[in-house]
Amino acid sequence: EVHLVESGGGLVKPGGSLRLSCAAAGFTFNIAWMSWVRQAPGKGLEWVGRIKSKVDGETTDYAAPVKGRFTISRDDSKNTLYLQMDSLKTEDTAIYYCMRLRPRSDYWGQGTPVTVSS
Amino acid sequence: DIVMTQSPLSLPVTPGEPASISCRSSQSLLHSNGYNYLDWFLQKPGQSPQLLIYWGSNRASGVPDRFSGSGSGTDFTLRISRVEAEDVGVYYCMQALQAPHAFGLGTKLEIK
Repeated sequence: EVHLVESGGGLVKPGGSLRLSCAAAGFTFNIAWMSWVRQAPGKGLEWVGRIKSKVDGETTDYAAPVKGRFTISRDDSKNTLYLQMDSLKTEDTAIYYCMRLRPRSDYWGQGTPVTVSS
Repeated sequence: DIVMTQSPLSLPVTPGEPASISCRSSQSLLHSNGYNYLDWFLQKPGQSPQLLIYWGSNRASGVPDRFSGSGSGTDFTLRISRVEAEDVGVYYCMQALQAPHAFGLGTKLEIK
């Protein structure tokens, strides 16, 4: 059975940092392209960023609002995806989901909430 | 960057009636492999999004056949042949062709 389980969310002050993790099971993680997607309270889905598989170069891309502040990485030996969030702003408050992007966008985690507030 | 435009934003439907949602992209989503990289998701209240349709017209595993996707290039449509009460939620399209990937604003389907 497929599982994507996010963790690491919480309350952080503006300017602070947080690292989210996404533990994957039930599919071949090392060939998957993975994404982070967020959803602010009462709002729609917003794509955050993506990391390709190692065989495809392990390159990353980010949405403009988080570029330069967020970093996506992966540890294929642990089947885990990460999102390092620095210089957090109040507008980063959201539920953060990890998602398998390739070969298909068919697996999503349950999300972990992040609140940025003083 | 590719921009996704989804309509309508709100869709009240009587059970048993059909429904359709439009999604347009600012650039073609047709990959050189012949597939359109357009996905449809449904987010039911209080749940994570779930994949309904991938590559424009392929139903995901376990999705009822009353859901269908069509279109190519820049114009896509999600159709529900007969809406059921369990179909309520917000529907999103997403372009999966190139980064930055983008979602439409979402269409909230409600039962009349």
